[in-house]
Formats: sequence, structure tokens, C-alpha cells
Amino acid sequence: GQNIDQPTEMTATEGAIVQINCTYQTSGFNGLFWYQQHAGEAPTFLSYNVLDGLEEKGRFSSFLSRSKGYSYLLLKELQMKDSASYLCAVRGDGGFKTIFGAGTRLFVKA
Amino acid sequence: EPEVTQTPSHQVTQMGQEVILRCVPISNHLYFYWYRQILGQKVEFLVSFYNNEISEKSEIFDDQFSVERPDGSNFTLKIRSTKLEDSAMYFCASSRGISNQPQHFGDGTRLSIL
Repeated sequence: GQNIDQPTEMTATEGAIVQINCTYQTSGFNGLFWYQQHAGEAPTFLSYNVLDGLEEKGRFSSFLSRSKGYSYLLLKELQMKDSASYLCAVRGDGGFKTIFGAGTRLFVKA
Repeated sequence: EPEVTQTPSHQVTQMGQEVILRCVPISNHLYFYWYRQILGQKVEFLVSFYNNEISEKSEIFDDQFSVERPDGSNFTLKIRSTKLEDSAMYFCASSRGISNQPQHFGDGTRLSIL
């Protein structure tokens, strides 16, 4: 079967760093994406990993270990506007189908 | 910045009726997708479309659903004989390629079946 696991909710303080973990078991692997989704809005692309290691993009970084089926999204210098759901998504065999996790709701408090 | 546009933003339909959801993907993108998100649940893949044909579909995408690219710009999702459980947000997405190319999502159409 195919499964993507993320924590349901996390809370962090403005200015801090937070790490959101994702583990996956999928039939095939052609890359892992992180998206941000504010309530009632569309997902917006944050990062992409296809090789092991860390990808850094401003305040956001994403890490992948394919052998462990594991990724994390690191958010630095948290801002109130970062309060949103963060979706881990894996592109499987063939490269067309993308499976989404249920998302992690992040609450940033002052 | 170019974006994916979807119309209508909200569609209310009686159960059993047919609906057509419309999308205009980003102009230089070649791969098109439909997803749905039932309220409070995760985003679910429905179908991908490339080179004027379906490239992959999920088990959700049964005979009730169809997709079409009627001209060079629009990409539509048709749902025949709608059911209450079809109520969801439907997102269209497009990407330039497959390898390391992110999918850009439209704002979605909220479909409410009465």
C-alpha cells in the first residue's frame, strides 16, 4: 500500500525554528514535494527533493533520506503568517501520480 | 507571475446533474492534473493528462469522471450524475515537466451537491 505519515499538529513560537517530519511508503519514488496550504486556499509549492540531502531555500529547507523513506521540512525565523498546513507529497511510479499526506497544521504563536 | 485559473469558484448543483469544472493551465506547461479535497481531508489525486490523453488516474476517477482539453488553453473535468459525496474542493494543477518540476495549483472550485 501507499502511505504518507505526518504529525497532525504542531505549535511553535514566532522567531523560532520548527521541523516537520514526513515518512512515506510508496510504490516507486520520483521525488518528494512540500506544499504550504492556508485554510480555504490552494497548495503552494515550497520545495522539492529527489536526491538524498538538504535543499535550502531562504527560510525553508527540506531534507530527504530515500533509504529511510523520510523527509523533513525546516522552517526558520518563524512568522505569524507561517501558520498553515504543510503537506508532504510523493510522486510515485511513472512520475504522474502524486500522493499527498494529510498535512501538518502549524500554529505560530507570539 | 503566470497562474492556473479555475472557474467557477463555487458551483452548487442538484444531485444527479452533470457539472463541468474549467481550468486554464499556465501557457507553457505540458502536464495537467485534477485533484480533489473533501473538507478537512487530504488532497487526493484524480487524474493526470499529457499529450492529449490521460497518463494516469486514481481509483477515484471512475466512469463518472472525464477530462478534456477542448482547445489549446482549457482543461475541463466533467462529473456525470453527481452524488452527495462528490462535494469537495476540486483543484486543477499544471507543470512544465515531470522531473523536478513542481505542480502549480489553481485556487480551486468548491463543488456543493444538494
